[in-house]
Amino acid sequence: GQQVMQIPQYQHVQEGEDFTTYCNSSTTLSNIQWYKQRPGGHPVFLIQLVKSGEVKKQKRLTFQFGEAKKNSSLHITATQTTDVGTYFCAAPGRNNNDMRFGAGTRLTVKP
Amino acid sequence: DTGVSQDPRHKITKRGQNVTFRCDPISEHNRLYWYRQTLGQGPEFLTYFQNEAQLEKSRLLSDRFSAERPKGSFSTLEIQRTEQGDSAMYLCASSLVKDTQYFGPGTRLTVL
Repeated sequence: GQQVMQIPQYQHVQEGEDFTTYCNSSTTLSNIQWYKQRPGGHPVFLIQLVKSGEVKKQKRLTFQFGEAKKNSSLHITATQTTDVGTYFCAAPGRNNNDMRFGAGTRLTVKP
Repeated sequence: DTGVSQDPRHKITKRGQNVTFRCDPISEHNRLYWYRQTLGQGPEFLTYFQNEAQLEKSRLLSDRFSAERPKGSFSTLEIQRTEQGDSAMYLCASSLVKDTQYFGPGTRLTVL
């Protein structure tokens, strides 16, 4: 199935600092989705990117889809303690019927 | 609360026992997915249904695993002869066709 690689695996920041996680694929993706999983919780859908070079914003979160549709990033400006959790990217599987998740980037925020 | 429910939330069993989990999706969603998640990893796809038809199964789904969605509504995932390696969080998600997936709270399985 589709493999997406995420970096970094962990990120620890001071509250107020920015945070970025990256998702890379060796093949062109039809779309990419981002999810957030709070500690002890389940993945919650954040956004889907479809178009080459697409940029979407949700308050302090900025999502980008690369021009070649092989990579994506999630950037959080001025992190808050409520941003703590693991951020996953996900891309369509082999038959485009399910989503294959990256290993995630675990964000911790020191107040 | 996404509207997807799973039961039980926790299950502890002895190696070799059979276990069954249930997922109730959002009522109008025709797609239902099962994932497995271990610590520090992203969800791994197991299988999915469109209505009552099981359309795809991952190679992760060994012969000891079986899933059903008999009436196109709730689904069950059964693991026979559990092994310690089966210990994980089992997540269910539902969606309209190729739309956003909404995850349930998961069933945490511990095999002793």
